[in-house]
Amino acid sequence: AQSVTQLDSQVPVFEEAPVELRCNYSSSVSVYLFWYVQYPNQGLQLLLKYLSGSTLVKGINGFEAEFNKSQTSFHLRKPSVHISDTAEYFCAVTFSGGYQKVTFGTGTKLQVIP
Amino acid sequence: NAGVTQTPKFQVLKTGQSMTLQCAQDMNHEYMSWYRQDPGMGLRLIHYSVGAGITDQGEVPNGYNVSRSTTEDFPLRLLSAAPSQTSVYFCASSYQGSLDGYTFGSGTRLTVV
Repeated sequence: AQSVTQLDSQVPVFEEAPVELRCNYSSSVSVYLFWYVQYPNQGLQLLLKYLSGSTLVKGINGFEAEFNKSQTSFHLRKPSVHISDTAEYFCAVTFSGGYQKVTFGTGTKLQVIP
Repeated sequence: NAGVTQTPKFQVLKTGQSMTLQCAQDMNHEYMSWYRQDPGMGLRLIHYSVGAGITDQGEVPNGYNVSRSTTEDFPLRLLSAAPSQTSVYFCASSYQGSLDGYTFGSGTRLTVV
C-alpha cells in the first residue's frame, strides 16, 4: 500500500528565515510526487511536482523540493519565508498505474512569526 | 472565471437527512474527484471519475453516491447523513489525471447534528 508521511504537524519559523518541510514516502515502484498549499478557508493549490528528470524541482512562490530516491524523501524548502507563506502544506504521491488515485499526507502547518 | 465551483459553502444537516454537494468545472477536465478533509488525517478520496459515465470508489466511499452524466458536473450525494460525515469536502479536477496536478474547489463545510 502506498503511504506518505509528514512527520511535522506544525512548523513555526521567523520571517525571513529558511524553512524545510519534510515528506517521506514508501513505495517499491516508480513514484510521482507533489506539494500542495492550502491557505485558510481555501482549497488546495499545486506548488510543484516531480515526475521525472532533475531531482531539484522549483515551484511557485520561491519554493523548491528535492527528490531523493535513496532516502524516499521529497522535502520542501524555501530560503526566506514571508508572512504570506503561513498556510498548511500537503505532500502527495501517486504511483505508476494509479493515475487517478493520489495519496495525501496529513499536512504540515507553517506558521511564520513576524 | 475558469475553475472548480462548489456549492454550498456551508451546510448543516440533521442525522438521517440527505443532500447533494454540487461540483462543476469549466476547464474540460476529464478527471474529477471528491475528497474529505478531517483534522490530522489529510485528504481522503471518496469517489472519482475518469470521464462522463465512468465512476469508481476511492478510499472511503461508504454513505456516498456519485454520478457523472456530463464532463462538467460531478455531484456527491449523501444518502442518510451521519455525524461521522461532518467534514470539509473538496472537489478536484484534472485534465489527464493526477500527473497534471489537481485544481481544487474552495470546499463545502458540512456539519451533521
